This record gives sequence, structure tokens and C-alpha cells, in this order.
Amino acid sequence: KQEVTQIPAALSVPEGENLVLNCSFTDSAIYNLQWFRQDPGKGLTSLLLIQSSQREQTSGRLNASLDKSSGRSTLYIAASQPGDSATYLCAVKGGNEKLTFGTGTRLTIIP
Amino acid sequence: DTAVSQTPKYLVTQMGNDKSIKCEQNLGHDTMYWYKQDSKKFLKIMFSYNNKELIINETVPNRFSPKSPDKAHLNLHINSLELGDSAVYFCASSHPPGTSDYEQYFGPGTRLTVT
Repeated sequence: KQEVTQIPAALSVPEGENLVLNCSFTDSAIYNLQWFRQDPGKGLTSLLLIQSSQREQTSGRLNASLDKSSGRSTLYIAASQPGDSATYLCAVKGGNEKLTFGTGTRLTIIP
Repeated sequence: DTAVSQTPKYLVTQMGNDKSIKCEQNLGHDTMYWYKQDSKKFLKIMFSYNNKELIINETVPNRFSPKSPDKAHLNLHINSLELGDSAVYFCASSHPPGTSDYEQYFGPGTRLTVT
């Protein structure tokens, strides 16, 4: 059974700093890994999707990496802004077509 | 031009009632999903339909019944609501497995409160 863990559960950093969010998963047989952000009381917004054959994906100030063999992914956010404050979720899609979510990291950027 | 929409956004009802949540996507996707996010913010899949056929059915009470009248709609009907059903329910859609782009797109969620 796939288990996805995100550490830390909460993170506060001053505006302008670079930061890294971590995601680990127990079963390396995945199709892809997706990073989402969720704002309070809102739905999920997809940020990046990494296929199992890829090592990283970039979108603007965001860079996500995937090391399938070790069961790890990181989301790097450069030059953080207050608007980046949200909960960040990673999710892996396995061979059973299910998307298994992590517990999330609640990020607060301090102006 | 909302991609995945859900109605209602908020639903407050009493125990024992029957309620439905509707979901529609205009992305041309074949696959749709229902997820439940509990009070601890943990998201877990409930159902998945591909082209109106059920392909994933997690261990959920049979009081929950998804219905897909066409591939653009996946509604969730809940019978005999219980306090523990209170949660946020998210609908999502994607291209089917095997295609190059099966990123999932989520709706805004329906916050269900059972009193």
C-alpha cells in the first residue's frame, strides 16, 4: 500500500528566501508525481506534474525533482512571496490508477 | 469557462437525509474522480469513472453512490447522511490512463456539514 509523507507539516520563512518542500513515498512503482497548492477554503491547483521517466520539471519560480528509486521528490520555490502562502500537497499515481496524497506542508511566507 | 465545477459549494443538512453533489467538466476528459478531504485535511480517493464506467471503488459505505449520466458529469449521491460524512468533497478529471497527459484537474470542492 502506497504511503506518501510530507515533511515538515508546517514551515514559515521570510519573504525573498528560497525554500524546499519534501515528499517521500514508499512504493517506487509510480506513473507520475504531481504537486498541488491548496488555499484555505479553496480547491487544488496543479503546479507541476513529473512523469516517472523524468527527473525534474520547472515552471517559473518552481522546480520539482523526482528520484523514483529513493522514493523522494522535492519542490523548490525561489524568491518566495507572500502570495506563495498555502498548503502544498504532493500526490503519486500508481499502477492501480489511484492518486495517493501526502498530508501536506502548510507554508507561510512572512512579509 | 470553469474547467471542473461542483454544486453546491456548501451543503448543510441533518443526519438521515439524502443529498447529491453534482460535478461537471468541460475539458473533454474521459476520466472523473471523487475525493474526500477530512477534518485533518487528508485527501483520499473514493471513486473513479472512465467513460461512464466505474474503475476505482475504494472502501466507502454503500450509502455513497456515484452516477455518471455522461462522460462530462459525475454526481455523488449520499443516502442516510451521518455526522462522520462531514468533510470537503472534491471532484476531479483527467485524460484516461495510457495517454501522455493525465494530470488531474480539481473542482473547488463542496463543504458538507451534517448536523
